Amino acid sequence: DAKTTQPPSMDCAEGRAANLPCNHSTISGNEYVYWYRQIHSQGPQYIIHGLKNNETNEMASLIITEDRKSSTLILPHATLRDTAVYYCIVSAFRSSNTGKLIFGQGTTLQVKP
Amino acid sequence: DAGVIQSPRHEVTEMGQEVTLRCKPISGHDYLFWYRQTMMRGLELLIYFNNNVPIDDSGMPEDRFSAKMPNASFSTLKIQPSEPRDSAVYFCATGTGAQPQHFGDGTRLSIL
Repeated sequence: DAKTTQPPSMDCAEGRAANLPCNHSTISGNEYVYWYRQIHSQGPQYIIHGLKNNETNEMASLIITEDRKSSTLILPHATLRDTAVYYCIVSAFRSSNTGKLIFGQGTTLQVKP
Repeated sequence: DAGVIQSPRHEVTEMGQEVTLRCKPISGHDYLFWYRQTMMRGLELLIYFNNNVPIDDSGMPEDRFSAKMPNASFSTLKIQPSEPRDSAVYFCATGTGAQPQHFGDGTRLSIL
């Protein structure tokens, strides 16, 4: 599975959009980009995933560059409850949904009032 | 949907004791995963099952660790004998071929 690079920490003002970047320059054609987050003392929570098209759900939007070497998770209106560690994971479909998820160190997002 | 249920939520025991962590998967999920999280090593996959059969146990740290899934509704992770370095938060996650993994709230294990 391809490795990912994320900034260790970011701040965001409450009510503003939070844009979390992720680099995955060695991604393969059959690998998806997955985002999970972990709020303090809870288990990781699935947010969104995509292959090459941009994706949106009730929680967030995922923007994947055309060459698929990087992506951005967007929380459109961050709230204090969005303070968490955000993990970007790249993995082949079969292994991500039904197999290994390799977690890196993630980005600690601090949403401030 | 009750989600993935783990027990106990907290466990404190002395070195050398046997520890058993339990997980009840979401009904209908045929994949079950055990992870361990520490400050030093982050989140690590220990082992996973498909249809109650262990598929990959390459992340199990040593022979003191064992995991079983006797049926589709229950799994255990056992440490015998336990050591202080086993102190961590242990997560169970379950999924299907079509859905991303769902995690439980974890068991916080402290070995004194």
